[in-house]
Amino acid sequence: DAGVIQSPRHEVTEMGQEVTLRCKPISGHNSLFWYRQTMMRGLELLIYFNNNVPIDDSGMPEDRFSAKMPNASFSTLKIQPSEPRDSAVYFCASSPGPNQPQHFGDGTRLSIL
Amino acid sequence: AQSVSQHNHHVILSEAASLELGCNYSYGGTVNLFWYVQYPGQHLQLLLKYFSGDPLVKGIKGFEAEFIKSKFSFNLRKPSVQWSDTAEYFCAVNARNYGQNFVFGPGTRLSVLP
Repeated sequence: DAGVIQSPRHEVTEMGQEVTLRCKPISGHNSLFWYRQTMMRGLELLIYFNNNVPIDDSGMPEDRFSAKMPNASFSTLKIQPSEPRDSAVYFCASSPGPNQPQHFGDGTRLSIL
Repeated sequence: AQSVSQHNHHVILSEAASLELGCNYSYGGTVNLFWYVQYPGQHLQLLLKYFSGDPLVKGIKGFEAEFIKSKFSFNLRKPSVQWSDTAEYFCAVNARNYGQNFVFGPGTRLSVLP
C-alpha cells in the first residue's frame, strides 16, 4: 500500500535557481495539500487542491511560489527564483475526502545556499 | 478564523511518567480534531481523531485524547510514556464549515529520558 510519495528527498541548490518539488498522492484520494515546516514558523499550509483544482492558496508566501496539479496522481510545487529563506522541509499530504485525516509524505528537505 | 494553541513548547519526562499535552482551539462551530506525531526525521503520522460521539478517543500506541467542547480543548494523554515516544506532537483542527482547511498547532516537543 504505497503512501504519499515525494521527490526528491533532499535538494541543495544555489539561490536564484528554479526548484521543483514533486508529489504523488495516495490513489483515490481527492485532496492534496502542500505544507512547509521550519523551526521558526512550524508547519504552514501553503495550498490545497480538491479534485485537481486549487481551492485555497492564501498560504503561498509570494509569487515566486506556484503549484500545479495536472492530474489526480501528480502535483508540483515550484519556486522560481529560490532564496535562502525558502530553506525548509516541504511536505505533501493527501486525504480521501472532505474533513478526513491527511496522510503525509516523507517530505523534501530543501536547502538554498 | 481558526487558530490552535498548544500549551507547552517542550516537555521533558522520565520513562513511565504520565503525559498530558494541552491543545486549545478557537472556533465556535463544529470541528474535527486530530493529533499527529512526528518522530525525528520522519513525516507526520495520525495518532487519533475525533469527529463525533464519545469525547474520549483512543488512538494508537496507548494514546488517548478528550474533547471538552465547553473548554475548546482536545488534550492528549498517555498514562506511561516510553523512550520511543520522543517526538513532536501536533494538534490540528478542521472546522467543518471551512472545508478542507486544516489548522495545525505549533507543536510540542516531547523528550522522554530513559
